[in-house]
Amino acid sequence: RKEVEQDPGPFNVPEGATVAFNCTYSNSASQSFFWYRQDCRKEPKLLMSVYSSGNEDGRFTAQLNRASQYISLLIRDSKLSDSATYLCAVQGSGGGADGLTFGKGTHLIIQP
Amino acid sequence: ETGVTQSPTHLIKTRGQQVTLRCSSQSGHNTVSWYQQALGQGPQFIFQYYREEENGRGNFPPRFSGLQFPNYSSELNVNALELDDSALYLCASRYGQGPNTGELFFGEGSRLTVL
Repeated sequence: RKEVEQDPGPFNVPEGATVAFNCTYSNSASQSFFWYRQDCRKEPKLLMSVYSSGNEDGRFTAQLNRASQYISLLIRDSKLSDSATYLCAVQGSGGGADGLTFGKGTHLIIQP
Repeated sequence: ETGVTQSPTHLIKTRGQQVTLRCSSQSGHNTVSWYQQALGQGPQFIFQYYREEENGRGNFPPRFSGLQFPNYSSELNVNALELDDSALYLCASRYGQGPNTGELFFGEGSRLTVL
């Protein structure tokens, strides 16, 4: 089983729709969780950290389910500019020194 | 604008050659890490430096090595290049070294092609 798994998509979604992605992780000792956004041929940029209580930032909501070992990202009222690859990242229990483990990313295409 | 700059942006090498990639971090960012991102994959952690010492390493062979300098710059060196080393190499920096010490800022990357 891969450490961090995501559905690669692509997800083709009409503008204004709601879309949700899940990401599963295998290391139950993982400490921190993140969603990054990566545009084509660009660097990843932090979209949201994911907390146990869940967190919301505008149209974006992230949830963590430790029991089932997955995190989710919900995008409401999707915009054309939301088209990108969304990377899930997990930080291990070794502190920051073990780096982030990324999934392969989910490709999202918002259609007009 | 993340304040993390990498050079060169693109380069082409042949198998067996050596390459040095450079990164300049934001002032005060004493932790720098390097990632390899192959086409269609997520970034993979190569190693991390904190205050000029390597303090974490992913599953990469010793021919991948690095340096961090007091002026917040760093290098990734790869010896004996292989075709599979073709990838986008990302430098990332932040304050501190713990898991909750703030956002990781990525540079735009150096795209390496090995022929």
